[in-house]
Amino acid sequence: GESVGLHLPTLSVQEGDNSIINCAYSNSASDYFIWYKQESGKGPQFIIDIRSNMDKRQGQRVTVLLNKTVKHLSLQIAATQPGDSAVYFCAENGETSGSRLTFGEGTQLTVNP
Amino acid sequence: DTAVSQTPKYLVTQMGNDKSIKCEQNLGHDTMYWYKQDSKKFLKIMFSYNNKELIINETVPNRFSPKSPDKAHLNLHINSLELGDSAVYFCASSWGLQSTGELFFGEGSRLTVL
Repeated sequence: GESVGLHLPTLSVQEGDNSIINCAYSNSASDYFIWYKQESGKGPQFIIDIRSNMDKRQGQRVTVLLNKTVKHLSLQIAATQPGDSAVYFCAENGETSGSRLTFGEGTQLTVNP
Repeated sequence: DTAVSQTPKYLVTQMGNDKSIKCEQNLGHDTMYWYKQDSKKFLKIMFSYNNKELIINETVPNRFSPKSPDKAHLNLHINSLELGDSAVYFCASSWGLQSTGELFFGEGSRLTVL
């Protein structure tokens, strides 16, 4: 079936480095993508989203890249800080998913001081 | 000031019991959801209500019954709890359907069935 998944379940980086979290999706009809951050003991929080008519979108210290050719999504975090340690989820809502978001498996990002 | 609040935050109960989780949002959103997050952090939608009408009902046992008394509240009642129901349940809300908008999640309710 259609799915959204992540290449790596865990990612460990040094404070100050840049982080890249990847996501592969299989629904070629997906037209909206969103990244969430979930800190321990809390609910997911919106980070950034992107529509399929774009290939890049920037926020504060975060950039989302979308490659529709290979159905790949990535989240780049610049100058990673300890507060960035969390589980990161990508989600998509393609036409065949209907009115719902399909979440990926999540990547645990650990930032080492 | 909490946008989406759910209670209780923790719930420990015996198999076979019936329990409820409540959710309220003060954002004025018209759509609310229940998600289940398993031990591997996988998030899966269970139900969605738009203006008190059920619009998404995933393949969930009928022991789970959502109720939306008004568009600001969505409660989840679970009958005859089973071990496999242990998970974190998240309530969320959004403007309209979630196809193009941000979901606002609550802090989660951790259910442990013994």
